[in-house]
Amino acid sequence: NAGVTQTPKFRILKIGQSMTLQCTQDMNHNYMYWYRQDPGMGLKLIYYSVGAGITDKGEVPNGYNVSRSTTEDFPLRLELAAPSQTSVYFCASSSQGGNSPLHFGNGTRLTVT
Amino acid sequence: GQQVMQIPQYQHVQEGEDFTTYCNSSTTLSNIQWYKQRPGGHPVFLIQLVKSGEVKKQKRLTFQFGEAKKNSSLHITATQTTDVGTYFCAGRTLGSNDYKLSFGAGTTVTVRA
Repeated sequence: NAGVTQTPKFRILKIGQSMTLQCTQDMNHNYMYWYRQDPGMGLKLIYYSVGAGITDKGEVPNGYNVSRSTTEDFPLRLELAAPSQTSVYFCASSSQGGNSPLHFGNGTRLTVT
Repeated sequence: GQQVMQIPQYQHVQEGEDFTTYCNSSTTLSNIQWYKQRPGGHPVFLIQLVKSGEVKKQKRLTFQFGEAKKNSSLHITATQTTDVGTYFCAGRTLGSNDYKLSFGAGTTVTVRA
């Protein structure tokens, strides 16, 4: 049972480049989330999904897109990278949304220069 | 919208001493969760509180949910170097959709040996 797996672990992007952060979970959880964490700050919700085919915006969705074609996978797309998107990105999943523990991946550390 | 605030932001503790960190919400919560994030790591679920006035213990950690379900606390006794990290609380507003947790900014704990 791997839990929540994120790739890559580290990435450096130039301004204007695009990339996809991958997230997959093997716990058959319906709920999946993308958070970003800036240095010394808490977790800000970017996008979430309550099941395959259903996604919605969180607190800070601008500059990002997501898709949820399967229960297992929830990739996060950055289309035109900006320095403000330099952050650590965490994917998480849970069985009952906000009523049950969130299981986090190890994170992706992204730098945009 | 809902805001979750944690105080203090930083806690510097002498090994062996006790300390408490507090979590306050602008709205009444249906539940509150606590997470610990070690330096360079990802948040790991510690506990969930649901009932008004609920108290739960995990070894040297005592978690409490306020009577009004708008605040919570984490008390650590006899602090050890293994307690180093950032402790986050996360809450779901009573009556809200069940997928969203709002995270506080965290209390970062350092320990002097």
